[in-house]
Amino acid sequence: EAGVTQFPSHSVIEKGQTVTLRCDPISGHDNLYWYRRVMGKEIKFLLHFVKESKQDESGMPNNRFLAERTGGTYSTLKVQPAELEDSGVYFCASSQSASGLYEQYFGPGTRLTVT
Amino acid sequence: RKEVEQDPGPFNVPEGATVAFNCTYSNSASQSFFWYRQDCRKEPKLLMSVYSSGNEDGRFTAQLNRASQYISLLIRDSKLSDSATYLCVVNPGGRRALTFGSGTRLQVQP
Repeated sequence: EAGVTQFPSHSVIEKGQTVTLRCDPISGHDNLYWYRRVMGKEIKFLLHFVKESKQDESGMPNNRFLAERTGGTYSTLKVQPAELEDSGVYFCASSQSASGLYEQYFGPGTRLTVT
Repeated sequence: RKEVEQDPGPFNVPEGATVAFNCTYSNSASQSFFWYRQDCRKEPKLLMSVYSSGNEDGRFTAQLNRASQYISLLIRDSKLSDSATYLCVVNPGGRRALTFGSGTRLQVQP
């Protein structure tokens, strides 16, 4: 079974530009999550989708971040305009609806560098 | 105070040693607990869930003490391949978002 995949693996952009990250969850997983790790800090939650609906977006840092999951399959996370402090590794994770223990499986991450 | 606290280490141990990691969490309503393993520049990988009764998976044993809000991971007979960062992860009640500790680094030496 294929795991969570993310694209691109790396992205280097200039401050003020736009970047879109993509996540494909494990097939059949209705729950999709975005997390971020900035340098020297722990991994932090950004938001949670159930199918195409945003269930919890309490971790989104500001309105420069826009996440979508049209059709309830893959998700995109757009940063516009990017700032220096947005640099970090963006992880996507997915889990099954019926998973009572909420076990989440992570993708390889997208390493974003804003210069 | 961080929601999940871990000793960052590093823990440097010889092959074959037994090593224990501890973690405390602040939200008493937390419902689910996990240990994830993260290799350098890789994604976190689920090592094991932690149950109230304690659970074991091969050389790995996890314990949960809800009264003290404390989680532990014991690794027996350490292998070189166990070298990684071990993340204590908690799911606060009512939400599916995971809260991560900053990780404990383990280096197993030959």
